[in-house]
Amino acid sequence: GAVVSQHPSWVICKSGTSVKIECRSLDFQATTMFWYRQFPKQSLMLMATSNEGSKATYEQGVEKDKFLINHASLTLSTLTVTSAHPEDSSFYICSAHRDRGIYEQYFGPGTRLTVT
Amino acid sequence: ELKVEQNPLFLSMQEGKNYTIYCNYSTTSDRLYWYRQDPGKSLESLFVLLSNGAVKQEGRLMASLDTKARLSTLHITAAVHDLSATYFCAIQYSGGSNYKLTFGKGTLLTVNP
Repeated sequence: GAVVSQHPSWVICKSGTSVKIECRSLDFQATTMFWYRQFPKQSLMLMATSNEGSKATYEQGVEKDKFLINHASLTLSTLTVTSAHPEDSSFYICSAHRDRGIYEQYFGPGTRLTVT
Repeated sequence: ELKVEQNPLFLSMQEGKNYTIYCNYSTTSDRLYWYRQDPGKSLESLFVLLSNGAVKQEGRLMASLDTKARLSTLHITAAVHDLSATYFCAIQYSGGSNYKLTFGKGTLLTVNP
């Protein structure tokens, strides 16, 4: 149990276009999902916390208008990178929080975004 | 600001040897996690440590937590090549912050034959 999927697993887009990444909890409900970004050979950096039915909470330095997050249901959160630029190229990983007494987070397989 | 420091950041070791990765954090924490990441992949959960003195073991890996010292260790026993990966520790701090995780920089472990 506790499987999180991401779609797509990789995407290449042209500079100036927008890209949507989906994060789904397949076998549990997730009131909270998290979006991370990881540059090569670096750690994960939290971008935002997504709560079902409310606005996302962004970390300092993350542009809200550029990285649009929508947590439409208890099993789906989406991250849209708007007007992507090459510097947005990164590995984006989501996680879903399931409260079953030990507050575990389950990570998706990640989405590799390349902006040309 | 919560800080998580791992050391070493790079570790090259021979098969069969033992070594320890250290994770220090700057404030009280609800729980501490250890993750493994293979190149191009996402995170794989290894251990979650909930209380002072907690010790967990899985195969050649053993994790411990000392909340008074704000220190966790990941001990590798008789390393094998398959353990080569990047290992992250992460702190979950619940102080009104939706249980978000703060990660260390990671330790790139290379096990050589």
